[in-house]
Amino acid sequence: NAGVTQTPKFQVLKTGQSMTLQCAQDMNHNSMYWYRQDPGMGLRLIYYSASEGTTDKGEVPNGYNVSRLNKREFSLRLESAAPSQTSVYFCASSEYIGTDTQYFGPGTRLTVL
Amino acid sequence: AQSVAQPEDQVNVAEGNPLTVKCTYSVSGNPYLFWYVQYPNRGLQFLLKYITGDNLVKGSYGFEAEFNKSQTSFHLKKPSALVSDSALYFCAVRDGTGHNFNKFYFGSGTKLNVKP
Repeated sequence: NAGVTQTPKFQVLKTGQSMTLQCAQDMNHNSMYWYRQDPGMGLRLIYYSASEGTTDKGEVPNGYNVSRLNKREFSLRLESAAPSQTSVYFCASSEYIGTDTQYFGPGTRLTVL
Repeated sequence: AQSVAQPEDQVNVAEGNPLTVKCTYSVSGNPYLFWYVQYPNRGLQFLLKYITGDNLVKGSYGFEAEFNKSQTSFHLKKPSALVSDSALYFCAVRDGTGHNFNKFYFGSGTKLNVKP
């Protein structure tokens, strides 16, 4: 039982390049989330998926797209990376989106030059 | 608007002393409140949550938190700090009602330093 896994762990991009961050969970959770963590700002919600087949914008969705590929997987895509997207990205999941605890992956450290 | 404030960037405490990490929140509906801990280069780990019921919530590793509705606070406490408690602590809130029902809001984090 690996919990929440994320790939890659580190990535360096040039401005304008695209990439997809992958996230998978093996806990049969219904809800999944993408956050970014910046110094002094805590975690900010980018997108979430309450259940398979649905996605919704969070607090800071601009510049990102997501895909809930199936119940296990939730990917985050940067179509044209910008230096402002340099951050640590965390994926999380919970059984339901209601009162349930979120379980976090180890994070992806992304640098955009 | 929903928000969470952690007024202290850093808290320093000696091992064996009690610790408090402060959190205040603002939501339009009923608050669902959480504390998470983050160790270096790791993801966040759940400590405890308040949904309803008893205002004093007990969680992992001897931590507890008290929900105070009148002061809109949810401070994290531990009677006796350990050096291994040194980490970054995040308070989070979800609005239990209304338009932002499904969104979580995290505070900016408080670094706890426990000295031997």
